[in-house]
Amino acid sequence: AQSVAQPEDQVNVAEGNPLTVKCTYSVSGNPYLFWYVQYPNRGLQFLLKYITGDNLVKGSYGFEAEFNKSQTSFHLKKPSALVSDSALYFCAVRGDYGGATNKLIFGTGTLLAVQP
Amino acid sequence: GAVVSQHPSWVICKSGTSVKIECRSLDFQATTMFWYRQFPKQSLMLMATSNEGSKATYEQGVEKDKFLINHASLTLSTLTVTSAHPEDSSFYICSAKGGRGSNQPQHFGDGTRLSIL
Repeated sequence: AQSVAQPEDQVNVAEGNPLTVKCTYSVSGNPYLFWYVQYPNRGLQFLLKYITGDNLVKGSYGFEAEFNKSQTSFHLKKPSALVSDSALYFCAVRGDYGGATNKLIFGTGTLLAVQP
Repeated sequence: GAVVSQHPSWVICKSGTSVKIECRSLDFQATTMFWYRQFPKQSLMLMATSNEGSKATYEQGVEKDKFLINHASLTLSTLTVTSAHPEDSSFYICSAKGGRGSNQPQHFGDGTRLSIL
């Protein structure tokens, strides 16, 4: 069965410092991995995805994520955090390989709090 | 690009009322749309998947007679919560995916906050 784990409920970082939001996954076959961000009372915004190719994926708002097959991880990173980055971050993996539904399996979310 | 509009943003209604939520893809054709429910401080729970022109596929435990989904066109899907009760109060989010490839991201609406009194 496909699954995604986000081990940290909350990550606190000072503005200007690098940030990392962790994600590990378990799938059969090749993973399709996604990061989304959610601001209060809003839907999810797509940040980036890994399908194939370079392990380092660059996305919106200066975020990037590194796919590590041996560690089955897809951590989200940013070199310098902004207060406006404070939000809820979801990692997701595509489930049901070979099926027609293309369901996303979401992690439980990590709240990122950037202090000024 | 890839904008999904969800309407209404907030709904407050009496118990027993039926509520319809619309999800539209504004600048792309959504071959598949998804409906999620999110409880406070929790992740998204997939309720159902709908492909244009066919019946929705509901997740286990989701009452299809309670949550009616229609995906009549490539740009519109609706979720109707029938005879809503306070326990149906939640944040409902739709998403849409274009194309047939499984590597396409889902694009999300801004959600609907449903409060049943």
